[in-house]
Amino acid sequence: SAVISQKPSRDICQRGTSLTIQCQVDSQVTMMFWYRQQPGQSLTLIATANQGSEATYESGFVIDKFPISRPNLTFSTLTVSNMSPEDSSIYLCSVEATGVGEQFFGPGTRLTVL
Amino acid sequence: AQKVTQAQTEISVVEKEDVTLDCVYETRDTTYYLFWYKQPPSGELVFLIRRNSFDEQNEISGRYSWNFQKSTSSFNFTITASQVVDSAVYFCALSEYPDTGRRALTFGSGTRLQVQP
Repeated sequence: SAVISQKPSRDICQRGTSLTIQCQVDSQVTMMFWYRQQPGQSLTLIATANQGSEATYESGFVIDKFPISRPNLTFSTLTVSNMSPEDSSIYLCSVEATGVGEQFFGPGTRLTVL
Repeated sequence: AQKVTQAQTEISVVEKEDVTLDCVYETRDTTYYLFWYKQPPSGELVFLIRRNSFDEQNEISGRYSWNFQKSTSSFNFTITASQVVDSAVYFCALSEYPDTGRRALTFGSGTRLQVQP
């Protein structure tokens, strides 16, 4: 299995500010994804982070609000821009191990927006 | 479009009881993966199992077992002799086969399992 770390683990932010979340994997992976889990809810895919090209966003999520970078096969960032209290959620990075199909999740970033 | 339904919102059992968590899925693909994840109160998502749609054999891992029935589009999860440490939210998820489509996961709404001592 892949070992995934996320920074920060949690943060409390003010409305209107932005936060960048980092996801680091201990091995090269083909696919990286960003999910959001709102309080008491299931997980919803925000986007697929593509190495060397623009991320692929799901319906309801836009690049201006959630810019994503993936400069290499082991690292990605998600920025939550111009935050509002509705953005308070857990943000999770996940990876699909190369050639295996199993998907593993990072520990998540718990974001609270005041 | 893919869809995963976990009709049981919350289940409460007493320790040592057996419990089954239901999962029903919809997909137009003939090949796909099914997953179960555990999310304990600490919040991390723990991978439990991945099942390929070609493989309908049931699987057992310790106290955990999974029943995959393609005819009814179900992938149920049974915990035998439940323990307090099994208390968590359990998610069923679906992804398309890597070569043919969407590889991200579509999650069910989750089932919260409370195991009372």
